[in-house]
Amino acid sequence: EAQVTQNPRYLITVTGKKLTVTCSQNMNHEYMSWYRQDPGLGLRQIYYSMNVEVTDKGDVPEGYKVSRKEKRNFPLILESPSPNQTSLYFCASSAGYSPLHFGNGTRLTVT
Amino acid sequence: AQKITQTQPGMFVQEKEAVTLDCTYDTSDQSYGLFWYKQPSSGEMIFLIYQGSYDEQNATEGRYSLNFQKARKSANLVISASQLGDSAMYFCAMRGLGGTYDKVIFGPGTSLSVIP
Repeated sequence: EAQVTQNPRYLITVTGKKLTVTCSQNMNHEYMSWYRQDPGLGLRQIYYSMNVEVTDKGDVPEGYKVSRKEKRNFPLILESPSPNQTSLYFCASSAGYSPLHFGNGTRLTVT
Repeated sequence: AQKITQTQPGMFVQEKEAVTLDCTYDTSDQSYGLFWYKQPSSGEMIFLIYQGSYDEQNATEGRYSLNFQKARKSANLVISASQLGDSAMYFCAMRGLGGTYDKVIFGPGTSLSVIP
């Protein structure tokens, strides 16, 4: 089954403790991206990747890192999480211009 | 700068009635795509419908249709014969179809409630 898999689905952590949210897709898509969703703001792009070893900042990249060492994986790294990064995070992928396929989301709480 | 506006934070519709969710956009790109996604209370993002800026016909997918008015920069979603399962958040999104396809921007969303 074609899918984007994010893990974990839920994560509670404390300020400053490094964490990684994994994202993997099995559709051989070149394009992958990360979004955060906050009430009233819709989804905002954090980082995106056009292909392996090619990443770039979206609209809200501060406090996040990504890497794209393999085509299928695009982890999101929070090296020192803060409470304002409490949010619902989505990973998505697409083949070129086609609609984004989304993962099921990761609800992150930073206390 | 590119921007998506959804002016209806919340809407109600009677079951079996049609409803229109508004979306206006701003872009300087000549070639772009417009998308609608549904997010039920379970949280997943579900792709509904797509309209390319050069498509002359309005897109339709089952009970969903997109009322595309390019000159007015609007891409309203029409849901016909509403069902209880249509209660969800709905997001309008835009993507460049040329060199700017890296950026996908979303509107703030509209919460639709279908009343029995």
